[in-house]
Amino acid sequence: GESVGLHLPTLSVQEGDNSIINCAYSNSASDYFIWYKQESGKGPQFIIDIRSNMDKRQGQRVTVLLNKTVKHLSLQIAATQPGDSAVYFCAERGGAGSARQLTFGSGTQLTVLP
Amino acid sequence: GAVVSQHPSRVICKSGTSVKIECRSLDFQATTMFWYRQFPKQSLMLMATSNEGSKATYEQGVEKDKFLINHASLTLSTLTVTSAHPEDSSFYICSARDHLISSYNEQFFGPGTRLTVL
Repeated sequence: GESVGLHLPTLSVQEGDNSIINCAYSNSASDYFIWYKQESGKGPQFIIDIRSNMDKRQGQRVTVLLNKTVKHLSLQIAATQPGDSAVYFCAERGGAGSARQLTFGSGTQLTVLP
Repeated sequence: GAVVSQHPSRVICKSGTSVKIECRSLDFQATTMFWYRQFPKQSLMLMATSNEGSKATYEQGVEKDKFLINHASLTLSTLTVTSAHPEDSSFYICSARDHLISSYNEQFFGPGTRLTVL
């Protein structure tokens, strides 16, 4: 079946450095992608999203890049802070004609080192 | 806006008992709510899609007679885990879709419910 996966299950970065979290997806019909942050014991928190007609979108300290050719999504966090430590999930949603449900990737644990 | 709550936040029960988890959209109406299950260090897996006033649609492998879903109003969906067993221990997360939002980001998540079955 269709799936969304991540290349790196864990990532450790020094405080102040930039973080890059990657995600591969397999459903070429997906038209919308979201990155979520999940802290321990909490629900997913929306970070940033991107539609399939875009290849880059920027937010506050975060940037999402979408490469539809290789079905790859990345989340870049600038000047990583201790509060950024969490599990990050990418999620994709099918396009028109699908059930339009969110499918989550396997997650990356980001640890920010002091 | 767009706040989703869950109650209880955590529950411990004995094996064989039933547990009900509530999901509420606090400031919007949700014609569709979703229930996810998340085991430790794993991703969110969709269990079922709940549509107000109709039967829920369950994902493959999810027992509909074990996980009873009721979506009787536009702001409340409940998940009842019947005859719970230790393997049902998990983090249950709901999300609600705001049917009035026309933007792509229309689905909002609750804080989750930690279920522990002894």
